[in-house]
Amino acid sequence: KQEVTQIPAALSVPEGENLVLNCSFTDSAIYNLQWFRQDPGKGLTSLLLIQSSQREQTSGRLNASLDKSSGRSTLYIAASQPGDSATYLCAVSDTGNQFYFGTGTSLTVIP
Amino acid sequence: GAVVSQHPSWVICKSGTSVKIECRSLDFQATTMFWYRQFPKQSLMLMATSNEGSKATYEQGVEKDKFLINHASLTLSTLTVTSAHPEDSSFYICSASSWDRSSYNEQFFGPGTRLTVL
Repeated sequence: KQEVTQIPAALSVPEGENLVLNCSFTDSAIYNLQWFRQDPGKGLTSLLLIQSSQREQTSGRLNASLDKSSGRSTLYIAASQPGDSATYLCAVSDTGNQFYFGTGTSLTVIP
Repeated sequence: GAVVSQHPSWVICKSGTSVKIECRSLDFQATTMFWYRQFPKQSLMLMATSNEGSKATYEQGVEKDKFLINHASLTLSTLTVTSAHPEDSSFYICSASSWDRSSYNEQFFGPGTRLTVL
């Protein structure tokens, strides 16, 4: 069964810093990988989706990379802002349409 | 992006009662809908997958008689928590996907429903 792990579990950085969130998965036979943001008590907001054939996707200050063979993905956030404070989740889907979520990284950006 | 709504956004009920949560895809037809449960400070756990017009597929450890899922149309799925107990208190999130809406098997998530059972 696919297992998705995110490191670190929590991260606190001063405003303006660049940061990297890590996601690893045990089964490389994935269809795609998505990064989500979740604010306290709220649902999920999709940030980036990377297909299994792609290596990275970019949206604004966010860049996500995927190394399927090693079972890893990173989410890079440039010039962090207090509004970026949230929990970030990665999820991988297999060809059977099943999604597996990571444990999440709680990010706090200090003004 | 595609919009998925949930109703209600929060509900408080007495132990032993049943609660129905609706999940709607507003601007696309969802061939598949998913129901997740999230406990405080934990990640999402898939409860069941439902395809329109067929019975839901439940994950191991999820009681299908307790969590009734109906996906009667391409835009609506419902989750009914029967005879709710305090341990069922959680954040329930649905998502929807459609190969017509996204060729990348992307899931679109609802805003979630907070259930508190007294």
